[in-house]
Amino acid sequence: SQQGEEDPQALSIQEGENATMNCSYKTSINNLQWYRQNSGRGLVHLILIRSNEREKHSGRLRVTLDTSKKSSSLLITASRAADTASYFCATDPRSSASKIIFGSGTRLSIRP
Amino acid sequence: EAQVTQNPRYLITVTGKKLTVTCSQNMNHEYMSWYRQDPGLGLRQIYYSMNVEVTDKGDVPEGYKVSRKEKRNFPLILESPSPNQTSLYFCASSAGRPTEAFFGQGTRLTVV
Repeated sequence: SQQGEEDPQALSIQEGENATMNCSYKTSINNLQWYRQNSGRGLVHLILIRSNEREKHSGRLRVTLDTSKKSSSLLITASRAADTASYFCATDPRSSASKIIFGSGTRLSIRP
Repeated sequence: EAQVTQNPRYLITVTGKKLTVTCSQNMNHEYMSWYRQDPGLGLRQIYYSMNVEVTDKGDVPEGYKVSRKEKRNFPLILESPSPNQTSLYFCASSAGRPTEAFFGQGTRLTVV
């Protein structure tokens, strides 16, 4: 079963609006990462948040982590057409020796 | 430039014909892994390697082999490909314990 599951599966918003994506996971983690994938291309790392952190910022990105609820959210502010992509969360479970487990992703479309 | 290079980018082959997808990284990373990406299933880990001569199974290892004779290279071998191995494959590397992963551009494999 998948460790990380993103919600929603697809999201379409107007350029300039904010986009929020959520990730839920099942077991305790060391850290959680968010990646972006442009259509059919390799994933690009966006941000990593450790289990002892609650919030992290990087440019227009804001990530929160709630370990009690086993969930994370990715907020993209002031969206641009170039933000159109799929976004994946990836967890590093404490139970695993050395694995990253990816969710199935959120497809974000930015309408001009 | 830091990068992970996969070859080939596209491959169409016939059932049963052995093939190798190469992966090379220039960042001196210890950790490398292979994923397959299928619609609706996200990325699933096939094999990973924590260092030279150290490999381990991921979530979907059946039908695949890997080797790690040098730190920079981590080829994926399909000894007898079958149509259910038609997928988009990604190689990734990171420094040590799962941290930021760098992905190759992907190999789109079709087995007929």
